[in-house]
Amino acid sequence: QEQLVESGGGVVQPGKSLTLSCKTSGFVFRRSGVHWVRQAPGKGLEWVAVISSDGSTSHYAESVQGRFTISRDESKSTVFLRMDRVNSDDTAVYYCAKDAPGDFWIMAVWGHGTTVIVS
Amino acid sequence: TVMTQFPATLSVSPGESATLSCRASQRIDTNLAWYQQTPGQAPRLLIYGASNRATGIPARFSGSGFGTEFTLLINNLQSEDVAVYYCQQYHTWPPVTFGGGTKVEI
Repeated sequence: QEQLVESGGGVVQPGKSLTLSCKTSGFVFRRSGVHWVRQAPGKGLEWVAVISSDGSTSHYAESVQGRFTISRDESKSTVFLRMDRVNSDDTAVYYCAKDAPGDFWIMAVWGHGTTVIVS
Repeated sequence: TVMTQFPATLSVSPGESATLSCRASQRIDTNLAWYQQTPGQAPRLLIYGASNRATGIPARFSGSGFGTEFTLLINNLQSEDVAVYYCQQYHTWPPVTFGGGTKVEI
């Protein structure tokens, strides 16, 4: 079945960098866009970034624009989120999610999340 | 586009119905999805296109609405339906935006 598994979370100091990974399986990776969505402790969902199926297009939330970079490795069926110059507002559970067939902006299948603590 | 959900919390008896509302700050046609997040779990897609159930979602979940006003109806509430429900617009992007969530409790 379709699966996404996040990793790479942990404790990071303010101003430092961290890279999250989203390993996918069970679907045709090259046909799927992938999103990152985060959830601060006790808060709601915030969309962070998305990369298109061919990697040619990416979009970012204003809160992370210029600090975060999304990328993908077709050979590993994995999407990455590099987080630079992190601050306390970046503390959250980070989920990756694949898009729905035919609709880039619907998050059809989600991973279990990885926790980032900036401290 | 700002998404507003109400009520913030909804208490429903087992077997009863729950009606959740979501309002968009501007017209979004039917470009609306609903997600369910049970305690300690990742979100799950329930409804897309305002009224289409995602694969594997029970028929007791139904969505409706167009433009700026949307509703998620949960019939015959079960204990496993205890969760926070989020609406998300994808009419205007980026960014896509979520509502603040409605917590459904028994």
